[in-house]
Amino acid sequence: SQQGEEDPQALSIQEGENATMNCSYKTSINNLQWYRQNSGRGLVHLILIRSNEREKHSGRLRVTLDTSKKSSSLLITASRAADTASYFCAAGTDYKLSFGAGTTVTVRA
Amino acid sequence: DAGITQSPRHKVTETGTPVTLRCHQTENHRYMYWYRQDPGHGLRLIHYSYGVKDTDKGEVSDGYSVSRSKTEDFLLTLESATSSQTSVYFCAIAGARETQYFGPGTRLLVL
Repeated sequence: SQQGEEDPQALSIQEGENATMNCSYKTSINNLQWYRQNSGRGLVHLILIRSNEREKHSGRLRVTLDTSKKSSSLLITASRAADTASYFCAAGTDYKLSFGAGTTVTVRA
Repeated sequence: DAGITQSPRHKVTETGTPVTLRCHQTENHRYMYWYRQDPGHGLRLIHYSYGVKDTDKGEVSDGYSVSRSKTEDFLLTLESATSSQTSVYFCAIAGARETQYFGPGTRLLVL
């Protein structure tokens, strides 16, 4: 069964606002990854956080990981229209990923 | 984009026919994966490979088989296509850093 579950399923924000989405998983992991998918395209890797890390930054992205709660969050700051996409978390164990159903983010101009 | 191609990109076939999808990489990565993506399910792992001739089942492997005779090629075969296998299929590759790189996808319609 799938490990990652995102919340919310959909998010609509104004350009310039921050977007936060959450992910929960079920079993022990080696890492937690976030991916973006634009409509009709393949997934693009955004960021990987290892199980011994608590927070990681990459440009306008901030990811947190709480292994005691088996949860992660992705924050996109100062959103842009180009951030409109679906975002997936993936729980990584032994070089395999288990994906959630994704959060669809719409950034309004 | 990482050097991954999938072929064909679109295919329409009839129930009961065999179908083979090809994934080709130029990155020399050890790990290769086949996923399917359906509305409401995200991506689900079908099969994966951790080396030439080394493959294992994923979450939804029934009705699918794979082969990897060369590092660069990973084939997914639907032995006898069914309408429930209508989906978008993605190939992915990964190296030592565990980040996966995805191909553009193959849209398969089984009538």
